[in-house]
Amino acid sequence: DTEVTQTPKHLVMGMTNKKSLKCEQHMGHRAMYWYKQKAKKPPELMFVYSYEKLSINESVPSRFSPECPNSSLLNLHLHALQPEDSALYLCASQDRGRSTEAFFGQGTRLTVV
Amino acid sequence: AQSVSQHNHHVILSEAASLELGCNYSYGGTVNLFWYVQYPGQHLQLLLKYFSGDPLVKGIKGFEAEFIKSKFSFNLRKPSVQWSDTAEYFCAAPSAAGNKLTFGGGTRVLVKP
Repeated sequence: DTEVTQTPKHLVMGMTNKKSLKCEQHMGHRAMYWYKQKAKKPPELMFVYSYEKLSINESVPSRFSPECPNSSLLNLHLHALQPEDSALYLCASQDRGRSTEAFFGQGTRLTVV
Repeated sequence: AQSVSQHNHHVILSEAASLELGCNYSYGGTVNLFWYVQYPGQHLQLLLKYFSGDPLVKGIKGFEAEFIKSKFSFNLRKPSVQWSDTAEYFCAAPSAAGNKLTFGGGTRVLVKP
Protein backbone atom coordinates (compact mmCIF):
# COMPACT_ATOMS: atom_id res chain seq x y z
CA ASP A 1 0.00 0.00 0.00
CA THR A 2 1.72 3.17 -1.23
CA GLU A 3 -1.15 5.50 -0.57
CA VAL A 4 -1.63 8.52 1.59
CA THR A 5 -5.33 8.93 2.26
CA GLN A 6 -6.84 12.27 3.13
CA THR A 7 -10.37 13.00 4.29
CA PRO A 8 -12.51 14.80 3.52
CA LYS A 9 -11.80 15.57 -0.15
CA HIS A 10 -13.77 18.80 0.04
CA LEU A 11 -14.72 20.95 3.01
CA VAL A 12 -16.67 24.17 3.27
CA MET A 13 -16.61 25.85 6.65
CA GLY A 14 -17.61 29.11 8.20
CA MET A 15 -15.21 31.39 9.99
CA THR A 16 -16.55 30.37 13.39
CA ASN A 17 -16.51 26.63 12.74
CA LYS A 18 -14.11 24.03 14.09
CA LYS A 19 -13.19 21.22 11.73
CA SER A 20 -10.41 18.68 11.30
CA LEU A 21 -8.56 17.30 8.30
CA LYS A 22 -7.32 13.74 8.51
CA CYS A 23 -4.42 11.96 6.89
CA GLU A 24 -3.46 8.29 7.06
CA GLN A 25 -0.58 6.23 5.70
CA HIS A 26 0.39 2.61 6.24
CA MET A 27 3.83 2.61 4.68
CA GLY A 28 5.64 2.80 8.00
CA HIS A 29 6.91 6.26 7.18
CA ARG A 30 8.04 8.17 10.26
CA ALA A 31 7.95 11.66 8.74
CA MET A 32 4.62 13.28 7.92
CA TYR A 33 3.91 16.71 6.53
CA TRP A 34 1.17 19.24 6.02
CA TYR A 35 1.42 21.51 2.99
CA LYS A 36 -0.83 24.30 1.81
CA GLN A 37 -1.28 24.88 -1.91
CA LYS A 38 -2.99 27.95 -3.31
CA ALA A 39 -4.20 27.95 -6.90
CA LYS A 40 -1.42 28.07 -9.49
CA LYS A 41 1.24 28.03 -6.77
CA PRO A 42 3.61 25.34 -5.48
CA PRO A 43 2.92 23.57 -2.18
CA GLU A 44 4.16 25.47 0.87
CA LEU A 45 5.28 23.57 3.92
CA MET A 46 3.28 24.12 7.10
CA PHE A 47 4.29 21.42 9.58
CA VAL A 48 6.63 18.46 9.83
CA TYR A 49 6.22 15.56 12.22
CA SER A 50 9.11 13.23 12.78
CA TYR A 51 8.54 10.11 14.87
CA GLU A 52 5.22 11.59 15.99
CA LYS A 53 6.84 14.75 17.33
CA LEU A 54 6.37 18.16 15.79
CA SER A 55 9.77 19.08 14.39
CA ILE A 56 8.98 22.01 12.14
CA ASN A 57 6.31 24.70 12.30
CA GLU A 58 6.78 27.15 9.46
CA SER A 59 5.35 30.08 11.44
CA VAL A 60 1.82 28.89 10.81
CA PRO A 61 -0.98 30.84 12.58
CA SER A 62 -2.36 29.17 15.68
CA ARG A 63 -5.77 28.77 14.06
CA PHE A 64 -4.12 25.72 12.45
CA SER A 65 -3.28 23.06 15.02
CA PRO A 66 -1.60 19.83 13.95
CA GLU A 67 -1.77 16.56 15.82
CA CYS A 68 -0.09 13.20 15.31
CA PRO A 69 -1.99 10.60 17.39
CA ASN A 70 0.18 7.73 16.16
CA SER A 71 2.70 6.87 13.47
CA SER A 72 0.01 6.35 10.82
CA LEU A 73 -2.25 9.31 11.44
CA LEU A 74 -1.90 13.04 11.09
CA ASN A 75 -4.64 15.56 11.80
CA LEU A 76 -4.96 19.26 11.16
CA HIS A 77 -7.44 20.99 13.43
CA LEU A 78 -8.95 24.17 12.07
CA HIS A 79 -10.58 26.92 14.09
CA ALA A 80 -11.61 30.47 13.31
CA LEU A 81 -10.19 30.39 9.81
CA GLN A 82 -10.25 33.29 7.40
CA PRO A 83 -11.39 33.27 3.75
CA GLU A 84 -7.75 33.63 2.66
CA ASP A 85 -7.08 30.22 4.24
CA SER A 86 -9.07 28.64 1.44
CA ALA A 87 -6.66 26.34 -0.37
CA LEU A 88 -5.76 22.73 -1.11
CA TYR A 89 -4.25 21.13 1.99
CA LEU A 90 -1.87 18.31 1.20
CA CYS A 91 -0.56 15.64 3.49
CA ALA A 92 2.63 13.78 2.68
CA SER A 93 4.69 11.05 4.25
CA GLN A 94 8.29 10.06 3.76
CA ASP A 95 10.67 7.40 4.87
CA ARG A 96 13.77 8.68 6.62
CA GLY A 97 16.65 10.00 4.55
CA ARG A 98 17.23 12.74 2.01
CA SER A 99 17.11 10.44 -0.98
CA THR A 100 13.63 9.11 -0.38
CA GLU A 101 10.66 10.71 -2.01
CA ALA A 102 7.60 12.08 -0.30
CA PHE A 103 4.25 10.47 -1.08
CA PHE A 104 1.35 12.87 -1.30
CA GLY A 105 -2.32 12.47 -0.62
CA GLN A 106 -4.97 13.87 -2.96
CA GLY A 107 -5.56 16.76 -0.64
CA THR A 108 -8.53 18.41 0.99
CA ARG A 109 -9.91 21.35 -0.90
CA LEU A 110 -10.95 23.78 1.81
CA THR A 111 -13.25 26.74 1.29
CA VAL A 112 -13.77 29.18 4.13
CA VAL A 113 -16.91 31.28 3.83
CA ALA B 1 18.99 27.26 2.54
CA GLN B 2 18.07 25.23 -0.47
CA SER B 3 16.12 26.99 -3.18
CA VAL B 4 14.73 25.71 -6.43
CA SER B 5 13.69 27.77 -9.43
CA GLN B 6 11.85 26.85 -12.60
CA HIS B 7 12.31 28.98 -15.67
CA ASN B 8 9.01 28.56 -17.43
CA HIS B 9 5.66 29.25 -15.85
CA HIS B 10 3.54 28.15 -18.78
CA VAL B 11 4.33 25.98 -21.75
CA ILE B 12 1.93 25.26 -24.60
CA LEU B 13 2.81 22.73 -27.23
CA SER B 14 1.26 20.30 -29.65
CA GLU B 15 1.19 16.53 -29.40
CA ALA B 16 4.38 14.82 -30.53
CA ALA B 17 6.45 17.92 -29.78
CA SER B 18 9.44 17.62 -27.51
CA LEU B 19 9.32 19.05 -24.03
CA GLU B 20 12.09 20.46 -21.87
CA LEU B 21 11.42 22.14 -18.53
CA GLY B 22 14.19 23.95 -16.73
CA CYS B 23 15.05 23.60 -13.04
CA ASN B 24 17.93 25.17 -11.14
CA TYR B 25 18.87 24.56 -7.52
CA SER B 26 21.05 26.47 -5.15
CA TYR B 27 22.46 23.97 -2.67
CA GLY B 28 26.10 23.11 -3.22
CA GLY B 29 26.43 20.05 -1.02
CA THR B 30 25.03 16.58 -1.50
CA VAL B 31 22.20 16.98 -3.94
CA ASN B 32 18.94 15.10 -4.16
CA LEU B 33 16.42 16.33 -6.69
CA PHE B 34 12.90 15.35 -7.65
CA TRP B 35 10.39 16.06 -10.36
CA TYR B 36 6.74 15.76 -9.37
CA VAL B 37 3.71 16.01 -11.63
CA GLN B 38 0.22 17.11 -10.67
CA TYR B 39 -2.45 16.16 -13.20
CA PRO B 40 -5.67 18.18 -13.08
CA GLY B 41 -7.58 17.25 -9.95
CA GLN B 42 -5.04 14.68 -8.86
CA HIS B 43 -2.34 14.38 -6.25
CA LEU B 44 1.33 15.05 -6.67
CA GLN B 45 3.11 12.05 -8.13
CA LEU B 46 6.81 11.41 -8.41
CA LEU B 47 8.08 11.35 -11.99
CA LEU B 48 11.73 10.71 -11.19
CA LYS B 49 14.45 11.41 -8.72
CA TYR B 50 18.20 11.84 -8.63
CA PHE B 51 20.36 11.12 -5.65
CA SER B 52 23.63 9.75 -7.02
CA GLY B 53 25.20 7.87 -9.90
CA ASP B 54 24.22 8.27 -13.52
CA PRO B 55 23.26 11.92 -14.06
CA LEU B 56 20.71 10.92 -16.69
CA VAL B 57 17.67 9.69 -14.83
CA LYS B 58 14.80 7.82 -16.40
CA GLY B 59 11.36 8.22 -14.91
CA ILE B 60 7.84 7.09 -15.53
CA LYS B 61 5.75 7.86 -18.61
CA GLY B 62 8.77 8.41 -20.85
CA PHE B 63 10.22 11.30 -18.87
CA GLU B 64 13.91 11.76 -18.16
CA ALA B 65 16.03 14.39 -16.48
CA GLU B 66 19.68 15.27 -16.59
CA PHE B 67 21.60 16.42 -13.56
CA ILE B 68 24.35 18.87 -14.56
CA LYS B 69 26.30 19.77 -11.44
CA SER B 70 28.33 22.52 -13.10
CA LYS B 71 25.14 24.30 -14.12
CA PHE B 72 23.18 23.54 -10.93
CA SER B 73 20.47 22.25 -13.22
CA PHE B 74 18.09 19.30 -13.37
CA ASN B 75 16.03 19.75 -16.52
CA LEU B 76 13.10 17.52 -17.34
CA ARG B 77 12.64 16.21 -20.86
CA LYS B 78 10.25 14.15 -22.91
CA PRO B 79 10.93 13.53 -26.61
CA SER B 80 7.29 13.35 -27.70
CA VAL B 81 4.44 14.58 -25.53
CA GLN B 82 0.86 13.41 -25.47
CA TRP B 83 -2.33 15.24 -24.62
CA SER B 84 -2.36 13.32 -21.33
CA ASP B 85 0.87 15.07 -20.30
CA THR B 86 -1.14 18.21 -19.64
CA ALA B 87 -0.34 18.92 -16.01
CA GLU B 88 1.67 21.05 -13.64
CA TYR B 89 5.26 20.00 -13.11
CA PHE B 90 7.27 20.78 -10.00
CA CYS B 91 10.96 20.45 -9.39
CA ALA B 92 11.83 19.90 -5.71
CA ALA B 93 14.78 19.44 -3.43
CA PRO B 94 15.09 18.46 0.21
CA SER B 95 16.86 20.56 2.80
CA ALA B 96 20.29 19.54 4.05
CA ALA B 97 18.65 17.78 7.00
CA GLY B 98 16.27 16.04 4.64
CA ASN B 99 13.21 17.09 6.60
CA LYS B 100 11.84 19.80 4.32
CA LEU B 101 11.00 19.62 0.66
CA THR B 102 11.28 22.89 -1.24
CA PHE B 103 9.38 23.21 -4.50
CA GLY B 104 10.07 25.33 -7.50
CA GLY B 105 7.32 27.64 -8.71
CA GLY B 106 5.91 25.01 -11.04
CA THR B 107 5.41 24.91 -14.79
CA ARG B 108 1.94 24.52 -16.20
CA VAL B 109 2.10 22.46 -19.40
CA LEU B 110 -0.76 22.38 -21.87
CA VAL B 111 -0.55 19.88 -24.70
CA LYS B 112 -2.93 20.62 -27.52
CA PRO B 113 -4.34 17.58 -29.35
